[in-house]
Amino acid sequence: AQTVTQSQPEMSVQEAETVTLSCTYDTSESDYYLFWYKQPPSRQMILVIRQEAYKQQNATENRFSVNFQKAAKSFSLKISDSQLGDAAMYFCAYTWGNNNDMRFGAGTRLTVKP
Amino acid sequence: DTEVTQTPKHLVMGMTNKKSLKCEQHMGHRAMYWYKQKAKKPPELMFVYSYEKLSINESVPSRFSPECPNSSLLNLHLHALQPEDSALYLCASSQEVGVGNQPQHFGDGTRLSIL
Repeated sequence: AQTVTQSQPEMSVQEAETVTLSCTYDTSESDYYLFWYKQPPSRQMILVIRQEAYKQQNATENRFSVNFQKAAKSFSLKISDSQLGDAAMYFCAYTWGNNNDMRFGAGTRLTVKP
Repeated sequence: DTEVTQTPKHLVMGMTNKKSLKCEQHMGHRAMYWYKQKAKKPPELMFVYSYEKLSINESVPSRFSPECPNSSLLNLHLHALQPEDSALYLCASSQEVGVGNQPQHFGDGTRLSIL
């Protein structure tokens, strides 16, 4: 079974500091893709970053980067120089092969303190 | 601004009513999705349409009836819903089905409340 686990229901970070959100997944597939989505109170799910499993290099998008540990099946999100606008629910998500059945983790609520 | 537009933003209906949720995208995407999201929970996939044909139905009760009239529009027809169906309903689209790394673009959702 393909499952995604986010073990931190809530996290908080001081503005301008760095925070890391954890995600682990369980899969027997060799061809899969991992995503982090952000859902602010406005409700829209916004793609933050994505990683193809076959790529060894960790994905980076401006202040957002991932630590992809394939052997450990770990896919953590690092947010640098946190901003108030980063406050949201963050979901780790997974799809595999030619499948668009996206599986989400339970989410981590991030609070940014001024 | 969202590229996937959902209407209405809020809907309150009785258990005997019939209503429809609408979703529209003009990005040329050929895959469209309906998700259900309960409060403080992740989205759960309901349906996937690929090239206007239903490709995935995640064992959703028949009181939810999807329809894809054309490549830009996706409807979700509601009939005889139960109070437990109250949730945020999210629509999403991606360029293609069958390409796993395609990110999905989400709308703002419709907040549905069943009385």
